[in-house]
Amino acid sequence: GDSVTQTEGQVALSEEDFLTIHCNYSASGYPALFWYVQYPGEGPQFLFRASRDKEKGSSRGFEATYNKEATSFHLQKASVQESDSAVYYCALSDTGGADRLTFGKGTQLIIQP
Amino acid sequence: ETAVFQTPNYHVTQVGNEVSFNCKQTLGHDTMYWYKQDSKKLLKIMFSYNNKQLIVNETVPRRFSPQSSDKAHLNLRIKSVEPEDSAVYLCASSWGGHYAEQFFGPGTRLTVL
Repeated sequence: GDSVTQTEGQVALSEEDFLTIHCNYSASGYPALFWYVQYPGEGPQFLFRASRDKEKGSSRGFEATYNKEATSFHLQKASVQESDSAVYYCALSDTGGADRLTFGKGTQLIIQP
Repeated sequence: ETAVFQTPNYHVTQVGNEVSFNCKQTLGHDTMYWYKQDSKKLLKIMFSYNNKQLIVNETVPRRFSPQSSDKAHLNLRIKSVEPEDSAVYLCASSWGGHYAEQFFGPGTRLTVL
């Protein structure tokens, strides 16, 4: 079945540091890839998506590039802020399957001022 | 205000009781979902409905049943709750399809004593 692997369970950085959260996927067909962010006490919020090889998705300074060969969709941000502290989820929607999102386990991002 | 609304915010109950959670979306979407988020923040799809028709039914226990009166409402009933049902239940909606972003409600936190 489909799966999403996020390597880091938690990432701790200082403000203005460079961020990378790794995401690799396994799916049949050509999945759409997503990043969602969840703040405490809220539901996940859509950040951006990409649906084809080499497509870059971006929003709020975050970006990720669909890499079909490496089956990856790593999240990056050049300079993090304290307000970026949240849980980040990589997810996929397999075009060959039912309409649903398969999420990674999430990465807790902690930004120290 | 257009969004996804869930009630109640919290619910505490005893093993064996029946509970029901409500979800309403005012975004005009025709697809709604229920996800379960466990204590480790893992997110898993439970059900999705498109125009009142069930289109995904993951292998959840039979004591869980979704109920939809129209495309703007999707409730979740749990008959005879178990301790492992303690979790946050998240409702979401979208325009449907594999590329559509999903909009999440704030969740209902269930605690089973």
